[in-house]
Amino acid sequence: KQEVTQIPAALSVPEGENLVLNCSFTDSAIYNLQWFRQDPGKGLTSLLLIQSSQREQTSGRLNASLDKSSGRSTLYIAASQPGDSATYLCAVSRGETGFQKLVFGTGTRLLVSP
Amino acid sequence: DAMVIQNPRYQVTQFGKPVTLSCSQTLNHNVMYWYQQKSSQAPKLLFHYYDKDFNNEADTPDNFQSRRPNTSFCFLDIRSPGLGDAAMYLCATSRARGVGVQPQHFGDGTRLSIL
Repeated sequence: KQEVTQIPAALSVPEGENLVLNCSFTDSAIYNLQWFRQDPGKGLTSLLLIQSSQREQTSGRLNASLDKSSGRSTLYIAASQPGDSATYLCAVSRGETGFQKLVFGTGTRLLVSP
Repeated sequence: DAMVIQNPRYQVTQFGKPVTLSCSQTLNHNVMYWYQQKSSQAPKLLFHYYDKDFNNEADTPDNFQSRRPNTSFCFLDIRSPGLGDAAMYLCATSRARGVGVQPQHFGDGTRLSIL
């Protein structure tokens, strides 16, 4: 059974810092990995999707890497801003096409202070 | 431009009283999902529709049912809510017709409280 763990559970940093969020999964037979953002009381917003054949994806100040063999992914946030404060969830999928069964981690709650 | 819309945002019901949560989408996606997210926990998939085909997760309680009358709408029915069913319920959609893996798009969720 796939299990996804995120460390740390919570992180508080001053504005401007670069930071790394970690995600690990127990079964390396994944098809892709996604990082999501969840604001309090809201749904999930997809940030980055990495196919299992890829090593990393970038979007603006965000960079996600994937090491499938070791069961790890990191989300790097450059020059953090107060608006980045949210919970960040990673999820892995075994679905090859179409339907994706996502298994989520419990998230890292990020607070960026001005 | 809300694309996955869940109504209501907050729902309060009584113990044992049936409740229905709704989800609509303007994306014309053929796959729709329902997740349950309890406080400080990871979202957990309850079931999904691939087109008209309903797929239940093995550990989803029988108390939870779903309907999809057309492409745009999907409903979550809880027949006899218990206190343990208080949670955020998230609807998501994705497109899956020979285009490879596409990200899921989530609504803002319905927070269900049980009195």
